Amino acid sequence: EPEVTQTPSHQVTQMGQEVILRCVPISNHLYFYWYRQILGQKVEFLVSFYNNEISEKSEIFDDQFSVERPDGSNFTLKIRSTKLEDSAMYFCASSEEGGEPQHFGDGTRLSIL
Amino acid sequence: QKEVEQNSGPLSVPEGAIASLNCTYSDRVSQSFFWYRQYSGKSPELIMSIYSNGDKEDGRFTAQLNKASQYVSLLIRDSQPSDSATYLCAAPRRGTGNQFYFGTGTSLTVIP
Repeated sequence: EPEVTQTPSHQVTQMGQEVILRCVPISNHLYFYWYRQILGQKVEFLVSFYNNEISEKSEIFDDQFSVERPDGSNFTLKIRSTKLEDSAMYFCASSEEGGEPQHFGDGTRLSIL
Repeated sequence: QKEVEQNSGPLSVPEGAIASLNCTYSDRVSQSFFWYRQYSGKSPELIMSIYSNGDKEDGRFTAQLNKASQYVSLLIRDSQPSDSATYLCAAPRRGTGNQFYFGTGTSLTVIP
């Protein structure tokens, strides 16, 4: 069964540094998403991406964050000038259409020191 | 009211019993609903989706949607210890549908 893949599984970074989280969505899916889950808290929407542009973003997704689809398969989340509170699990998801079931990758655990 | 609300539990049921998980929602979400299962430290895994009023069954799982009461539930029959996880209710934001709201999740423990 096709799946969403994310790399790395765990990223440890010093505060203030930039990180790039990578995702390969399911190949025939058109909509891509990033979510965040702080330990013990709920899954929070960050951004959705369709047709090579941001479709929606939450208030969490400020100027510190950016997304990109650099080629036909990868979808990345860049976090600039990381802060301690950015420590969380970051999930990538994809769906065939908007509003359709979203399939999640295994996540990247980001630890900011 | 939050977009999607769940009782965080924890909910404990004996093996073989029926587990009932509930979710209420606001007018800010579209009326398509998704149940995800999340094991500790893992990603959400889609279990079921439901789009219309009534019941939808898939194996041991039954999703129920009541649009008049803005209520959606998940029943797990013949609960197994492997069903022990957190169950998340999710729905798309009304409008574009590209933003999912997740509930806080209900923690289920099935006792052998």
